[in-house]
Amino acid sequence: GDSVTQMEGPVTLSEEAFLTINCTYTATGYPSLFWYVQYPGEGLQLLLKATKADDKGSNKGFEATYRKETTSFHLEKGSVQVSDSAVYFCALSLYGNNRLAFGKGNQVVVIP
Amino acid sequence: DAGVIQSPRHEVTEMGQEVTLRCKPISGHDYLFWYRQTMMRGLELLIYFNNNVPIDDSGMPEDRFSAKMPNASFSTLKIQPSEPRDSAVYFCASSLGLAKNIQYFGAGTRLSVL
Repeated sequence: GDSVTQMEGPVTLSEEAFLTINCTYTATGYPSLFWYVQYPGEGLQLLLKATKADDKGSNKGFEATYRKETTSFHLEKGSVQVSDSAVYFCALSLYGNNRLAFGKGNQVVVIP
Repeated sequence: DAGVIQSPRHEVTEMGQEVTLRCKPISGHDYLFWYRQTMMRGLELLIYFNNNVPIDDSGMPEDRFSAKMPNASFSTLKIQPSEPRDSAVYFCASSLGLAKNIQYFGAGTRLSVL
């Protein structure tokens, strides 16, 4: 079935460092791809999305490019802040299907 | 809009008791989702509704779990009887139609079953 795989384990890095979180997907059709963020004690909220190949989603300094050839949607930010500490989830949905398939999430901890 | 509203935010109960979680979706949204989040299994979809009708409940773990949506502005998730392994954070989310696929999440209910 359709699924999303995120890299294992938490990510700890210093303020102003470069952040990359890997996400790959498996889907039979042409999915839309999402990154959601969950701050401590809160629900998930949409960070960015891309709906077709080569689209780049961006928000709050974060970017991700829909790569059909590598079935990937890696999240990047050039200079992280302490306030970016959160759990990040990659997700996909197929057109005509309002369900989302989520990855397991990555805890990101930014140290001052 | 106030967003998706869930209540209670925290629930502590004893094994065997009935637990009811509540959700008010964003006004005008026609899809409603219930998720469960645990460290071991991550985020799991339990059930979702479209226009108040359950569409897919294949994620509901057991008959002890039931969900209803009596109208467009209210849904409940009930666990009866509750067990310690039901301890988790339960999220409700809503979305508008198929085109956008963007789900808006509530703040969640943290359930502890002792």
